[in-house]
Amino acid sequence: GESVGLHLPTLSVQEGDNSIINCAYSNSASDYFIWYKQESGKGPQFIIDIRSNMDKRQGQRVTVLLNKTVKHLSLQIAATQPGDSAVYFCAENNYGQNFVFGPGTRLSVLP
Amino acid sequence: NAGVMQNPRHLVRRRGQEARLRCSPMKGHSHVYWYRQLPEEGLKFMVYLQKENIIDESGMPKERFSAEFPKEGPSILRIQQVVRGDSAAYFCASSPEQGSSGEQYFGPGTRLTVT
Repeated sequence: GESVGLHLPTLSVQEGDNSIINCAYSNSASDYFIWYKQESGKGPQFIIDIRSNMDKRQGQRVTVLLNKTVKHLSLQIAATQPGDSAVYFCAENNYGQNFVFGPGTRLSVLP
Repeated sequence: NAGVMQNPRHLVRRRGQEARLRCSPMKGHSHVYWYRQLPEEGLKFMVYLQKENIIDESGMPKERFSAEFPKEGPSILRIQQVVRGDSAAYFCASSPEQGSSGEQYFGPGTRLTVT
């Protein structure tokens, strides 16, 4: 289930299940979005990106969905594995301005 | 092709001392960004630089913080007279071109602890 902790919301899923991580972005003019994965003690790692002229993009085991009407971005991870446990950030960019990062969601994969 | 490199990885400073954080972008990248991350929080943009130019420093505190990206050598984030509130992880990212034209690649970060 999903819960809001002191700082980071946390999503707990069973190994093998699909995960859906959501992000509400702030700027309706943003035209480029990235999902990053950050493991403990490491820098953010690029997962997948999407431009505003698309509403869906698929990678290996991951899918990003973009709903510009409600300024919502989601990351779907298929067959979640223990190695997927991390904090996930969405980032938005407005025509070359700097990236604005969301607050992050901690994904916890249960055995 | 080496990734973004940052050093030191961990830095401990006493209150009032200076902290210098270094970032070497990926080969061929001319854009550098600095971010600060507090525990359990997202990344906050600080400054965006190109070689010898500060493009956007809207996220930099007005005092004690400065950044440079000289023609030769790494980008430097400098914090003078550090205070406990400066304790955080500082990440550098680089890109071949700005913003929506390309993703940013992050370094491993420097964890600054002010005692």
